[in-house]
Amino acid sequence: AQKITQTQPGMFVQEKEAVTLDCTYDTSDPSYGLFWYKQPSSGEMIFLIYQGSYDQQNATEGRYSLNFQKARKSANLVISASQLGDSAMYFCAMSSNFGNEKLTFGTGTRLTIIP
Amino acid sequence: DAGVIQSPRHEVTEMGQEVTLRCKPISGHDYLFWYRQTMMRGLELLIYFNNNVPIDDSGMPEDRFSAKMPNASFSTLKIQPSEPRDSAVYFCASSLAIRNLNTEAFFGQGTRLTVV
Repeated sequence: AQKITQTQPGMFVQEKEAVTLDCTYDTSDPSYGLFWYKQPSSGEMIFLIYQGSYDQQNATEGRYSLNFQKARKSANLVISASQLGDSAMYFCAMSSNFGNEKLTFGTGTRLTIIP
Repeated sequence: DAGVIQSPRHEVTEMGQEVTLRCKPISGHDYLFWYRQTMMRGLELLIYFNNNVPIDDSGMPEDRFSAKMPNASFSTLKIQPSEPRDSAVYFCASSLAIRNLNTEAFFGQGTRLTVV
């Protein structure tokens, strides 16, 4: 079974600072993918970034980067130069390709950017 | 593409009534997922389809819930009879074949269901 753990229910960060959102996972599958989604107050789920378990380099997408530490089973999201529009819920999720294609989500972290 | 389209956006119904939620996935996507989001339980996968065939419905809470995908462009999630504890936001999502893993799921706007 897969499990995603996000231990930070809420975070407050000053605008323009960098922020790290924690995510740890548990799986016995050798091949898996890790995703981060953003859910603003309007409710939609927005895909941010993906990391494959065999990728040698950490994924980056603009201001988003994923700090992937496979041995520690962690996949933290780093947002550089935070903006007011980054205030939202952030969900970590994972999938595997061993007969379990579904995305399993963590409980989320509510990020609030302070001006 | 217009993205994943869900209807209605909001639904308020009385306990015991039948509720039908609708979803149009992104054209060409092989997978369709139904999720439920509540404050208490977060995002839960209810069921997912591959090429219109239900693959895993282990997340469907009970027999009151049923889902169908009669063709590649339409799916429904039905609750009959509805109960107040079914109140939640229901998301539909679709994606391309996942075997390469690097295929994110695209979510609809969600249907906010309130059962009174």
